[in-house]
This record gives sequence, structure tokens and C-alpha cells, in this order.
Amino acid sequence: DSGVTQTPKHLITATGQRVTLRCSPRSGDLSVYWYQQSLDQGLQFLIHYYNGEERAKGNILERFSAQQFPDLHSELNLSSLELGDSALYFCASSVSGQPNTQYFGPGTRLTVL
Amino acid sequence: EDQVTQSPEALRLQEGESSSLNCSYTVSGLRGLFWYRQDPGKGPEFLFTLYSAGEEKEKERLKATLTKKESFLHITAPKPEDSATYLCAVQPRSEAQKVTFGTGTKLQVIP
Repeated sequence: DSGVTQTPKHLITATGQRVTLRCSPRSGDLSVYWYQQSLDQGLQFLIHYYNGEERAKGNILERFSAQQFPDLHSELNLSSLELGDSALYFCASSVSGQPNTQYFGPGTRLTVL
Repeated sequence: EDQVTQSPEALRLQEGESSSLNCSYTVSGLRGLFWYRQDPGKGPEFLFTLYSAGEEKEKERLKATLTKKESFLHITAPKPEDSATYLCAVQPRSEAQKVTFGTGTKLQVIP
């Protein structure tokens, strides 16, 4: 158990819908990273927050957004969902603003029908 | 654009049969190279960070090494519980938050 929690574990929804994925980092960790993992592309970095502020963006679509709250938990919002958004979504946390040692959560499996 | 290529894609070993996994990378200035282990349906688990060519790190039956173009994960006398997908990732100096992962090597160790 990494200490990072993600909810829900599974999410099944329809195209065009909007969903919110939630992540709670390890106690004491200030950074939260979001990744998308699909079968053919591996882990893709989406976005990084440090102590409530956005620090870096990767290959994140405009339909996706995220935020980190004062209690350091983070939410990833996915809207206007498409079939291709079906994937595993992981969040990871680290103590500092650097991804030197990231602790990954168990992931949320999103299926868009 | 940073690139990470891992080989082989899949590897099947007999218990006790040592081997190496390869991670070739292209990055404009390497800040760090990471190895992770991922079990099916779970999040990746951190194994090692390497920072400079010539550096080596060991943990139980695993040893990671780094050169200027590639990294190897050596597995000595593997056991069935070492079966997993091993992921390599690079952290560039310029955009240190944007870690690029390879697609992994799926290792199966047969008793």
C-alpha cells in the first residue's frame, strides 16, 4: 500500500458525459501528478500540482482539467468524454516539487461506452 | 521530444535464470532516470533513481545501471514473485516535472 488513495476504482459512463476522479496523496506529500495509461501508449504525464498550484502540464487535453485543494487532495475532471478516453488514470504523490520518487495510487479504470 | 524505448517487450525466464532488461533513452539533458515495477491492475511501485552515467543501484535481486544512452535492469536468479512489468522513465533537466515513461518490459518467471 503506497498511502495514495484514488476513488472511484472503476467508472463506466457514456460518451459526452463528465466525470471527476479523486486522489488523496500520502500524508506530508505536497505534489500530486496525474497520468493516463492506455494499452498502446503506456503512462502519459497529464499535469502536476504542488501545494495547490499548477506546476507543469503534459499531454492533457483541453477537455480535461484538474485542481489541488487546500487539504492537498486533487481532482481530475474529464468532460465531453470520447471512446478514446477509456484508460487507467493514476495519480502519484511526492514530498517535494520534483518527481524523483513518486508513490502511485491504485488507479481509476474509466470505461467510456 | 524525449523518448524512452524498452526492450524486450516481453521476457519469459525460468526461475534462477538471470537476464537484463534494456531502456534506451533520448533526452535533452538527463536529470534522472527511474525504474518502476507494475503488477497487473496496480499502480507502479518505485524501485530506483539513477542520476549520472556509471551509477549503479541494487535492491535484492535487482541491479540498475546507467550509461549516457541507456539503462539496464539486471535480474539475478529471479523468482516467480519477480514477475511484473518493469517501467523505465526519464526526467529532463529542462522540464523536470515532465517525466516520460517507456511502455515497459513484461517479465514472467516460471517456477
